[in-house]
Amino acid sequence: DGGITQSPKYLFRKEGQNVTLSCEQNLNHDAMYWYRQDPGQGLRLIYYSQIVNDFQKGDIAEGYSVSREKKESFPLTVTSAQKNPTAFYLCASSIVGGWRGLNQPQHFGDGTRLSIL
Amino acid sequence: DQQVKQNSPSLSVQEGRISILNCDYTNSMFDYFLWYKKYPAEGPTFLISISSIKDKNEDGRFTVFLNKSAKHLSLHIVPSQPGDSAVYFCAARGGADGLTFGKGTHLIIQP
Repeated sequence: DGGITQSPKYLFRKEGQNVTLSCEQNLNHDAMYWYRQDPGQGLRLIYYSQIVNDFQKGDIAEGYSVSREKKESFPLTVTSAQKNPTAFYLCASSIVGGWRGLNQPQHFGDGTRLSIL
Repeated sequence: DQQVKQNSPSLSVQEGRISILNCDYTNSMFDYFLWYKKYPAEGPTFLISISSIKDKNEDGRFTVFLNKSAKHLSLHIVPSQPGDSAVYFCAARGGADGLTFGKGTHLIIQP
């Protein structure tokens, strides 16, 4: 079955520690995205990537980093610089990104819940 | 400043009746709108979308209406079923990056 897999489902971070959230898709989608959801809030865009080896900052990129070395994978690192990392993190993908992908829906994984120890 | 607003945090509807979820936006550059459904601890599931060149799009029990002059869209679900109970997010796109989401409306379908 094609889809987006996020792991782990739950993750705990100690103060001053970097943690990496995994996102893998086998949909052959070009574009991938990371969002953050806080309680009672909508999703906010952290980073997005329209194509391999390219990524752009979203609305709340500070304290986060990403890489896109393979089409299937778009890992998100929550660094120690992110002072309020507790949230539900969602990864998404779409067939194409950028202006060509304006009318393409994004498909989401089931999320990773990050908490601070 | 919120560019996509869902002013009703929750909505309760009787099974079999019509559910109407509303969404307002402020950015006139938005030209593609989507509705997502989300269960707790799961990712959002795409439901239906509409391009700004249309005013209505229908898919089974789901219909989305777009009023560009009012910068308003709505999602109609008819008839409402118990499995429709979830949080519904309105989202919009107007550029080359990701989507802008509203805060969601929790729809509760009562038997």
